[in-house]
This record gives sequence, structure tokens and C-alpha cells, in this order.
Amino acid sequence: KAGVTQTPRYLIKTRGQQVTLSCSPISGHRSVSWYQQTPGQGLQFLFEYFSETQRNKGNFPGRFSGRQFSNSRSEMNVSTLELGDSALYLCASSLSGTQETQYFGPGTRLLVL
Amino acid sequence: GENVEQHPSTLSVQEGDSAVIKCTYSDSASNYFPWYKQELGKRPQLIIDIRSNVGEKKDQRIAVTLNKTAKHFSLHITETQPEDSAVYFCAASVRGADGLTFGKGTHLIIQP
Repeated sequence: KAGVTQTPRYLIKTRGQQVTLSCSPISGHRSVSWYQQTPGQGLQFLFEYFSETQRNKGNFPGRFSGRQFSNSRSEMNVSTLELGDSALYLCASSLSGTQETQYFGPGTRLLVL
Repeated sequence: GENVEQHPSTLSVQEGDSAVIKCTYSDSASNYFPWYKQELGKRPQLIIDIRSNVGEKKDQRIAVTLNKTAKHFSLHITETQPEDSAVYFCAASVRGADGLTFGKGTHLIIQP
């Protein structure tokens, strides 16, 4: 099976702009989670989608949002970008939830200038 | 919400020796504890996990122990090899709650 894929792999934006990241899960996986990884804060949970519904949400401001489509592909959006949003954004998929093996994608590295 | 502390932040061991990484969690309702390995420039990969109804789990050279009373769990790697060099993350989660909460990671260095 093909692994989790993310696009784009690298992105440079300026403060105030918005960005949309995409994640394609492993075929058959219905749960997609998003994480932010930074050197200072490590891996932080953003949200989880299952069957097109947000099921869990981490402690991030409302500028961070997401959605999931009927084919389980997911997108996350960050509006009004801040310098502190520079990070590696990882998505992970699993068959049905976060309490089973999460298969991570390669990540999207976002740099906000 | 859940808080996970991980120690040490860096661990250097001689090849062939054992390595132990420890994590503590704050929410007594947490019931799932995975460990992920992330090699430099690569994505995290699950290496072992344990649920709260089990005290220990082994997979070849890797083992995880869980002490629910003390709210801590540990990763044990025996007979370390150069390919074990990576950053290891512990995590905890409460079913139906806030997804996985990760520790800050341990950089494991295997000295030849």
C-alpha cells in the first residue's frame, strides 16, 4: 500500500497570509490527525478527523482549522500566519483512531517570514 | 489536559549496552501509551505501545513497562545498535479526549 503523502513538502509564506496543507491517508484509513512539530515544543496535537467530522481538537487557536473529505483526504488551513507558526506539520492516518498505530506522512515544512 | 514529561533529553550509551527512557503522565484516565522513533529527517514511526490493562510488553530488543499507580512508563532497549540512534517520543492518550500528548523527546546516541 502507498504510504501517507503530504503536499506541498515545503512552503514559504509571509505574516498575515493564509496557507492550506493537504494530506492523503493510507487507503482504507478513516482517521487523520494533524500535528505541529517544533524544536521548542516538540510534537503537538492539532486535531483529528474521522468520517469527515472533527472528533478531537488540541489546544491551538481558531486560526488553525481543518476538514476531511469523503475519500478521507484531509486539509488543514492556517489563517493570518504568525512567525511562530513556522514548523513541520505532520499528518498521520490510522484505521479508526488515535489509540492505534499512527502512520505519519513526511510532513510539510512551513516557514513564515 | 494531559501533560507528559520525558527524561532524559539526551542519552548516550555504548553500543551493546542498554538504554532506558522514562516518561510520566498527569491524567490518571490515560489508557494508551505509544513510543515513536524518529530518525533524522524522517517521519516518526511507532515502535511499541502498551495499554493500561498491561504492565509490560516486549518486542525483541524493545520493552515497555507501565506503572499506573505512579503514572509513569519506560522504554527499555537492550543490546543497542548503531541503527537505534534517533529521537524517541513517548505519548499518552485518553480515549475520546484530546488525541496523543507527546513528551519532548529523547535523543539517543549510540557510541561505537
